[in-house]
Order: sequence, then C-alpha cells, then structure tokens
Amino acid sequence: ETGVTQTPRHLVMGMTNKKSLKCEQHLGHNAMYWYKQSAKKPLELMFVYSLEERVENNSVPSRFSPECPNSSHLFLHLHTLQPEDSALYLCASSQDTPGGSLFYEQYFGPGTRLTVT
Amino acid sequence: SQQGEEDPQALSIQEGENATMNCSYKTSINNLQWYRQNSGRGLVHLILIRSNEREKHSGRLRVTLDTSKKSSSLLITASRAADTASYFCATAGANSKLTFGKGITLSVRP
Repeated sequence: ETGVTQTPRHLVMGMTNKKSLKCEQHLGHNAMYWYKQSAKKPLELMFVYSLEERVENNSVPSRFSPECPNSSHLFLHLHTLQPEDSALYLCASSQDTPGGSLFYEQYFGPGTRLTVT
Repeated sequence: SQQGEEDPQALSIQEGENATMNCSYKTSINNLQWYRQNSGRGLVHLILIRSNEREKHSGRLRVTLDTSKKSSSLLITASRAADTASYFCATAGANSKLTFGKGITLSVRP
C-alpha cells in the first residue's frame, strides 16, 4: 500500500537463532530506516541509511546488524536476541536532500512482529 | 529532548463527533508531522506542518502549530469508525532526526 514491503510479517525465534528481516521500497527514495516499536513506548529509531551509508546508529546492541546493499533494500540481521527484543520492527523510507536533511515525511512498511522465546 | 508528547493518551468519541489531539515538544523544530497507525500495521503519514506555518488542512484533518507554546493540535472533523487508530506526532529538529511520541489511541464508536 505505501510502497514499502517487509518480510516476514511474523517471526518467532529462539535466543540462539540467527534470522534476518528484509525491507524493500519501490518509491525511489534514498534514505531508509529501522525502528523498534514496543508497547507503551515511543517509536525508537535504530538505524538510518542515507545514500546507502549509515548515518545514524542509536546505540543499538550489536546483536542487531543492519545492511543496506542498495537504496531499495534494507536488512536487519538478528542473532542471540533476548526476550526484551520482542517488538514490532518497522522499516521506513524517505527522500533525503543533497544537504542531508532528513526532514521529510517517511513511508512505513507494515512491520515484522518479532517474538523471541 | 524534542520528543513530542501527545495528549490525551486515549480518546473515545461517538461517530460524527470531532476529535482533537494535542502534541507538545521541548526544543525548536523544522517541522512537525502527524501519523496514523492501525492496529498491528505500519504508520501512515497524514500531514506535515513547517515551523513557519500556523495551520494546515487536508480533507477532514486540520493541524495547527504554535511555536511559541511548542504545541500542535490535530483535529479530525465528523469522525468515522474507520478513524479508529493510534495517532502519533513526530518532530523534525536541527539534527534531522524525526522523533515520535508515544501516541494517542482514538476509538470512534459507531
């Protein structure tokens, strides 16, 4: 619907598993984001890629590892997660300006509901 | 922090009534945005208002911004059951990050 797709939509994994979340945007945007949404908490920005370079990393634990191979695709690699990492993980994209102003509206995917057991 | 804080946390109204949601923030902003999220889905952008604008309309939505009070309001007129969702304000400041509040849960009763 918004031009941003995420797979899988639901994921259950054990603490010793390794999995990856995938995001793809079909909007021609050049900036992509990962957010974590937990109940009763504000949306937490995890990573920002602008022009395929990581420009923001909000002190996210190393068990989360992002990858942005091109401007249309974004991955979040997961390993050795904890139960408190269970949340809705949202991907978004926007059009960055040459000056680097990430001021514009963001388009979100439907999210991946992650449960860590 | 410049994080927006929405008020009230939850709002329940009858279909046809107007819904007013407020957002306050603490530091100067470039713009303020409102988003909607239906249960278990991604956020959908509703409207963006720049710091030099005072009011903006989009269909049944009206957004105001008062930079002197560091506050914004979102008015949904003639609400419908389909407007039931969570609504978030997000502020974009000098550091270019978009910072979201915790959201307001709006329930519109048929």
